[in-house]
Amino acid sequence: QVQLQESGPGLVKPSETLSLTCTVSGDSIGDYYWTWIRQPPGKGLEWIGYIYDSGSTNYNPSLKSRVSISVDTSKNQFSLKLKSVTAADTAVYFCARGLTAELSGFYYYYMDVWGKGTTVTVSS
Amino acid sequence: DIQMTQSPSSLPASVGDRVTITCRASQSIGSYLNWYQQKPGKAPKLLIYVASNLQSGVPSRFSGSGSGTDFTLTISSLQPDDFATYYCQQSYLIPSFGPGTKVDIK
Repeated sequence: QVQLQESGPGLVKPSETLSLTCTVSGDSIGDYYWTWIRQPPGKGLEWIGYIYDSGSTNYNPSLKSRVSISVDTSKNQFSLKLKSVTAADTAVYFCARGLTAELSGFYYYYMDVWGKGTTVTVSS
Repeated sequence: DIQMTQSPSSLPASVGDRVTITCRASQSIGSYLNWYQQKPGKAPKLLIYVASNLQSGVPSRFSGSGSGTDFTLTISSLQPDDFATYYCQQSYLIPSFGPGTKVDIK
């Protein structure tokens, strides 16, 4: 049974870079869309982006200038970096496994396994 | 950008009730629509993918329907474990979520 676990600093200073890692256990990284999502306190979910095929990425345009996602297949991990953070980046950050369902020649993306989430606060 | 809306935002209900949540997209998204359940302090859980496909292990009282711009999530008989917030999510373009519908105790 695949499991995901986020890790990283819980407190980041404004203007610095937020760095998180998601460790995948129970399956190998490959052929999935490894995804990051966040949820500000008391608010809804925001999709950040994903990495697939060991290098191709897709990011939310609202964050694209500040975000990067990478994968380390040797460690079965993928990572998120968000630079120049502000208080607005305070949130619970989730990692998730994305995959696609092929139906009638179309490919539909969804997220079937999620980590428990990690809280990141941006404050001096 | 595709904007997702949900109604109602809050839904008081009782155990045994039939519950229907509506999700609307700002443009046609075909069947590129998924539903998630989230409980306080927990990660979202996939319920339905591609508008109407029940995720493995999810009780059959959950069902999804719709295509184009209008979608519904139905719980045929609400159980105590179902009090939670429900989110729709489109994957037609850059993925985005609806604002959520909180199902709480009437």
